[in-house]
Amino acid sequence: ELKVEQNPLFLSMQEGKNYTIYCNYSTTSDRLYWYRQDPGKSLESLFVLLSNGAVKQEGRLMASLDTKARLSTLHITAAVHDLSATYFCATGGSNYKLTFGKGTLLTVNP
Amino acid sequence: GAGVSQSPSNKVTEKGKDVELRCDPISGHTALYWYRQSLGQGLEFLIYFQGNSAPDKSGLPSDRFSAERTGGSVSTLTIQRTQQEDSAVYLCASSLYLWEMAVSFNEQFFGPGTRLTVL
Repeated sequence: ELKVEQNPLFLSMQEGKNYTIYCNYSTTSDRLYWYRQDPGKSLESLFVLLSNGAVKQEGRLMASLDTKARLSTLHITAAVHDLSATYFCATGGSNYKLTFGKGTLLTVNP
Repeated sequence: GAGVSQSPSNKVTEKGKDVELRCDPISGHTALYWYRQSLGQGLEFLIYFQGNSAPDKSGLPSDRFSAERTGGSVSTLTIQRTQQEDSAVYLCASSLYLWEMAVSFNEQFFGPGTRLTVL
């Protein structure tokens, strides 16, 4: 059974600081997705990573994928309050079924 | 363009009643998914449709749960004889198979969800 673990589950950081969220998964997969969820809202797709070594950046967020280590990271640079949300990673052993991590609740404090 | 829509946005029901949740996917998306999100939990996969057929129903938690999709578009998730543990947010997503660098993937786009409360 595919398991996806994120850490940390809770992250409180100050504006301007950098931090990394980690996503480990238990079986081979070469597709990794990152989503953002604001309170009371649905999930918004952030990144799709499709190969070993893939790196994508959007604003202050950068995601990477290491399929050999079964690890993806979401790096936050110079955090701002608007980044406060819950971040989920997801992967799947098949093309359609995604298994999600429990999410990382990020709070960026002024 | 229009995203995935779900209705109702909130549903409060009494234990033992049946409920129907509706999902309208993005036009042209062939795949449709139902997930359940409980408080403080991640997303739990329920069922997947490709067109009108459901090749994978493995995530449905009991035989009280069923889903159908008609015309390759709208889907309905039905929960019979609701129990308090069914209280959750039910999310629907749709996708197309896409290709990037010769790799296929299905980026899923989520609806706003239906918050179900069973009293």
